[in-house]
Amino acid sequence: NSKVIQTPRYLVKGQGQKAKMRCIPEKGHPVVFWYQQNKNNEFKFLINFQNQEVLQQIDMTEKRFSAECPSNSPCSLEIQSSEAGDSALYLCASTKTGGAAETLYFGSGTRLTVL
Amino acid sequence: GDSVTQTEGQVTVSESKSLIINCTYSTTSIAYPNLFWYVRYPGEGLQLLLKVITAGQKGSSRGFEATYNKETTSFHLQKASVQESDSAVYYCALGEGNAGAKLTFGGGTRLTVRP
Repeated sequence: NSKVIQTPRYLVKGQGQKAKMRCIPEKGHPVVFWYQQNKNNEFKFLINFQNQEVLQQIDMTEKRFSAECPSNSPCSLEIQSSEAGDSALYLCASTKTGGAAETLYFGSGTRLTVL
Repeated sequence: GDSVTQTEGQVTVSESKSLIINCTYSTTSIAYPNLFWYVRYPGEGLQLLLKVITAGQKGSSRGFEATYNKETTSFHLQKASVQESDSAVYYCALGEGNAGAKLTFGGGTRLTVRP
């Protein structure tokens, strides 16, 4: 069973508010991914890290989304000004090497609702 | 870009009957991607069911099988005899060949097994 811990489980925000969620990857997993899963079950890759360094991120992430994985602290994903379209399940996953054949270990997710 | 297609959004099967969940993929970034099936059981997080990283090979787990067919660009999931405990949402995914690379997921197939 995965030991990736995501908090909070549920998050409700008004439009324009900040929304912040956290992720503790499995011990010994330096590579962390964030995905957004919308109400149509579609996954969208947001960003990934190796230790504290960003490996890849999408354009959307660069504008309103910010993320970090500081040393000895949980990783976090923050939406600066929430929009209704941001309502989704946000999934954090970790892996040992980040190689393409590696298994991703997912947390249970943070379900964000933007009113 | 890469894409993964699961044609059935929902499948209902009676216990002990056979199952096939279709998955086809398209990729422009790599000739032979890595292929995965992930599953989300009710109340649990997304977890790996099986993976195949070599074209022509078959992967298996928990009675499920999937064969990587590069000619038809397919990776269908099959089980000879389903159980009620197999009820879950199944996601086909494609991984690129680069370290730190993200997964591209299909839309998911919700399997309901009738007792």
